[in-house]
Amino acid sequence: DTEVTQTPKHLVMGMTNKKSLKCEQHMGHRAMYWYKQKAKKPPELMFVYSYEKLSINESVPSRFSPECPNSSLLNLHLHALQPEDSALYLCASSPPTQGVYGYTFGSGTRLTVV
Amino acid sequence: QQQVKQSPQSLIVQKGGISIINCAYENTAFDYFPWYQQFPGKGPALLIAIRPDVSEKKEGRFTISFNKSAKQFSLHIMDSQPGDSATYFCAATHHPYALNFGKGTSLLVTP
Repeated sequence: DTEVTQTPKHLVMGMTNKKSLKCEQHMGHRAMYWYKQKAKKPPELMFVYSYEKLSINESVPSRFSPECPNSSLLNLHLHALQPEDSALYLCASSPPTQGVYGYTFGSGTRLTVV
Repeated sequence: QQQVKQSPQSLIVQKGGISIINCAYENTAFDYFPWYQQFPGKGPALLIAIRPDVSEKKEGRFTISFNKSAKQFSLHIMDSQPGDSATYFCAATHHPYALNFGKGTSLLVTP
C-alpha cells in the first residue's frame, strides 16, 4: 500500500458544526502532516506530527485541532469554522528518516464552510 | 514573505514543445529543491528533486537545472504532452519537515 487515504473527499459544514477529517496510511511512515490549499495557491503547512507527537503548529487558529491517535492515523477536528476556511485540506506522510525527501500526499478533502 | 519566487504564473505550450518554469530563492541555507505536479482534484506528487551540489538532474522528459550562484533553478519538460497539463510547484527547504512552495505554474499543453 503506497497511498495516503483521506476521507471524506468532500465536506460541507455550517459555521456552528463540528466535523472531523481523517487521514490514513499504511506505509510505516512516522511523520504526518496537514496542509491547507486555497484555490490556485500553493499548499500551506498547518501541523506536523513526528512519531505521534505534535512537532510543528504553524500558528493555526484553535478552531482546527489535530490528533494523531496512532502511527497510521491522523485526524483534523473542525469547530466553529469561518467561510474563509473553505479550502482543500491535504494530508501527507513521510518515512521516519526522510522527512521532506519522502512526502506522499493524499488527494485531499474539499471543505466548504457555509 | 514568499521565500521561493516562481514564474510564469501560467504557460501554454504546443504538443512536442519544451515547457520551462523558473524559480528563484534567497535563503542560501536551502539544500533541497523539489518540483511537484498537481492535477485537478489530486494532491501534489513529487516529480523530481535536486540538491545544490548538482547542476542538473534528468529523469525521462523532466530536467532540473540548478544555478547555485544565481540562486535559481528551473524545470524543463521536453516533448511536452497534453497529459502534462497540470499545476507545477517548485519548493525549497533546509528544514527536515517543512517545504516552502512557489506560487505555482498552470501548464496547458495544446494538441
